[in-house]
Amino acid sequence: GAGVSQSPSNKVTEKGKDVELRCDPISGHTALYWYRQSLGQGLEFLIYFQGNSAPDKSGLPSDRFSAERTGGSVSTLTIQRTQQEDSAVYLCASSLSSGIGYGYTFGSGTRLTVV
Amino acid sequence: KQEVTQIPAALSVPEGENLVLNCSFTDSAIYNLQWFRQDPGKGLTSLLLIQSSQREQTSGRLNASLDKSSGRSTLYIAASQPGDSATYLCAVLTNTDKLIFGTGTRLQVFP
Repeated sequence: GAGVSQSPSNKVTEKGKDVELRCDPISGHTALYWYRQSLGQGLEFLIYFQGNSAPDKSGLPSDRFSAERTGGSVSTLTIQRTQQEDSAVYLCASSLSSGIGYGYTFGSGTRLTVV
Repeated sequence: KQEVTQIPAALSVPEGENLVLNCSFTDSAIYNLQWFRQDPGKGLTSLLLIQSSQREQTSGRLNASLDKSSGRSTLYIAASQPGDSATYLCAVLTNTDKLIFGTGTRLQVFP
């Protein structure tokens, strides 16, 4: 696609429910990144993929968070048993490749509200 | 651990002024530095990308410089306009393939 597409754009969920956030990167981009931006906070790195593998999962806040990428394209970020502190904007970015200094293109994000 | 700091945290100026936003980082081992703009409730828009071997990049009224050895970058905005009002974020790509962001400068340009 022309840009990075994220869905849904907004999600309201009840505490304790599971949610899935989707990211569709730019066609041909092999690197994909997930970030989280909480209200009034900076961007927090969660995980990145090079192809289908995730060399760095160090940013995932807890074992309730997981992510996968299939076919070197679409990625899903899953949050199980959501908590109120999970409320944030989840941003996805893609890059032509990792490690060679290419720029990132970000999607518009998914605003998650846990009530 | 790489840390990125942006000064000032907020800036309010009248239209037409030339502006300098500052970004500093603690570890000079970076692949590149990127400046982004974020409008309220929106995602990030890339403004300028400077590779570690470059000194500056220009796009329209924007000019970004990079001094890797001293861990500094500046974003210069010429002849500011109300439409420039947004939060400006700098981010460095580390040699562990992680993009580390500063906390941003919130800019307001009033008519």
